[in-house]
Amino acid sequence: EVQLMQSGAEVKKPGESLKISCEAFGDNLTNHWIGWVRQMPGKGLEWMAIVFPGDFETRYRPSFEGQVIVSVDKSINTAYLQWSSLKASDTGMYYCASSVSSRDGADYWGQGTLVTVSS
Amino acid sequence: DIQMTQSPSSLSAFVGDRVTITCRASQSISTYVNWYQQKPGKAPNLLIYGATTLQSGVPSRFSGSGYGTDFTLTISSLQPGDFATYYCEQSYNRPPYTFGQGTRLEIK
Repeated sequence: EVQLMQSGAEVKKPGESLKISCEAFGDNLTNHWIGWVRQMPGKGLEWMAIVFPGDFETRYRPSFEGQVIVSVDKSINTAYLQWSSLKASDTGMYYCASSVSSRDGADYWGQGTLVTVSS
Repeated sequence: DIQMTQSPSSLSAFVGDRVTITCRASQSISTYVNWYQQKPGKAPNLLIYGATTLQSGVPSRFSGSGYGTDFTLTISSLQPGDFATYYCEQSYNRPPYTFGQGTRLEIK
């Protein structure tokens, strides 16, 4: 079984950069796809991007393309989500999620990282 | 993008009730639908994948059905811990996939 441990809550100002992490325990991320899900306050779930196992190809939902960067450091079994210039509208809860087969749903989830962007 | 439309957006029910939540896809997606439960302040939890397959450890009172564009999640006898928000997700296209807007299930 895989456990995903995310970094802690962040409070940032608009225009600042941020990188949050998701460390995997119990299996190697080269065997799993891993993705990031945004949940804005009081709203539903949105897939932002996914990293495929093996070659770590990344795919972004068009609305997030150019807004964030996702990456994986396989040497420390950790995935990242980063912003170069935060906006107030980036405020929300961000979850990493993973599975062996992407079509069969995400059966492993991190606990979430709350990002608050406010001046 | 394939759109997933859930109905109702919210419902109230009693413990012991049978409840059905519907999800409609904007195009045919075979059986590539997954269902999640999310409780307040918690990460989502996968309940059903492939439209009908129960994830390991999920109680058998949860079931899924459907093919093509119309899918349902049924809870046969509501328990107190089932009051949560439920999301469908299509996994037909290449990811990232899309979720429905969610159905909030509340105690009556």
